[in-house]
Amino acid sequence: KNQVEQSPQSLIILEGKNCTLQCNYTVSPFSNLRWYKQDTGRGPVSLTIMTFSENTKSNGRYTATLDADTKQSSLHITASQLSDSASYICVVSHFNDYKLSFGAGTTVTVRA
Amino acid sequence: NAGVMQNPRHLVRRRGQEARLRCSPMKGHSHVYWYRQLPEEGLKFMVYLQKENIIDESGMPKERFSAEFPKEGPSILRIQQVVRGDSAAYFCASSPSPGSPTGELFFGEGSRLTVL
Repeated sequence: KNQVEQSPQSLIILEGKNCTLQCNYTVSPFSNLRWYKQDTGRGPVSLTIMTFSENTKSNGRYTATLDADTKQSSLHITASQLSDSASYICVVSHFNDYKLSFGAGTTVTVRA
Repeated sequence: NAGVMQNPRHLVRRRGQEARLRCSPMKGHSHVYWYRQLPEEGLKFMVYLQKENIIDESGMPKERFSAEFPKEGPSILRIQQVVRGDSAAYFCASSPSPGSPTGELFFGEGSRLTVL
């Protein structure tokens, strides 16, 4: 069973609207949780990185939250733009280890 | 400070040929990961290397695939006798300190292999 589960698998939103992506993980203990954005045909680009002691981290219109007790994270996109169309990947690093656990990603499509 | 550099960005090979993909990590990063991504799918772990050492190759097929990260020069992922099923995007990521709470992890733009 994958240690990082993302939902939904995909979603379509209208330009200007908000959306929230979910990431549930079982990795324990963990070092950090990252959200990446991957445009079609490109490499993943880091959006946010949070340690277990952080609850929220923002990067422009992207806001990530983390609840280490329930092992849940979310990525909120505010006032979506067409350029937000991409796959969003949740990655959890294992504590003091090289191992990384990847979610399968959520594909976001923003329509005008 | 250049990012993770991968080359070639696109590679076309005929069945049975060899493919060599190169990855130069970010300056100061001594840890390299290779991932494979099929169309419409997520990233799949292949191998994790430190300088001159393969630490974990559990995600890499035992046959035809090999990886190295020499003391000098880029990390290389080598695929011998390629088959159509090897067609994919291969991503490299580098880190200075995996497992650290603030550890960076940067990806390259990928190398897209097409096997005819």
